[in-house]
Amino acid sequence: NAGVTQTPKFRILKIGQSMTLQCTQDMNHNYMYWYRQDPGMGLKLIYYSVGAGITDKGEVPNGYNVSRSTTEDFPLRLELAAPSQTSVYFCASSYPQQGSSYNEQFFGPGTRLTVL
Amino acid sequence: EDQVTQSPEALRLQEGESSSLNCSYTVSGLRGLFWYRQDPGKGPEFLFTLYSAGEEKEKERLKATLTKKESFLHITAPKPEDSATYLCAVQATSGTYKYIFGTGTRLKVLA
Repeated sequence: NAGVTQTPKFRILKIGQSMTLQCTQDMNHNYMYWYRQDPGMGLKLIYYSVGAGITDKGEVPNGYNVSRSTTEDFPLRLELAAPSQTSVYFCASSYPQQGSSYNEQFFGPGTRLTVL
Repeated sequence: EDQVTQSPEALRLQEGESSSLNCSYTVSGLRGLFWYRQDPGKGPEFLFTLYSAGEEKEKERLKATLTKKESFLHITAPKPEDSATYLCAVQATSGTYKYIFGTGTRLKVLA
């Protein structure tokens, strides 16, 4: 299993541009999450999803959008990028659909985004 | 409000010098407490889950313990390869499946 994969690894955007951060998991997890991590700060939840077609806001959703059309994919959309969105973005997943009680999160390698 | 506080922010140890990292939490009801290791430029990697006060888990030089208000990550005879940021997270029983993270402890083990 590849686990959680994220693309791209790095990206530089100009103010006002848009982009989509891709996230895919192959563990058949119900739950998926997007976090941002700023230097010296903890992981802040942007959006999460409990299954295909179901998403909800986290702590810091402004300026972002998500969709979940399949179990495997959970893309994060940035519209009108701003310097405040410069951060490292992590996607995570948890809760296998059946057959296990563990609920730890599995994280992707991250996308480092700079908005200039 | 659910909250997680980790201390110290940073810790420098000599190789072989044992110590403990602290994670204090305030949550209405605890579903689970999680410890992760994060290396520079990488995503967090799962270490332990603790579910109830008194529970302990071990992995190599690491041992995690849990009380009703805090968790400790004990590092016995650390090696330079244990250098990383250690993150603590809690999941509440409040009906959602969100995780609340602390800001982490940056550990540096000197040879």
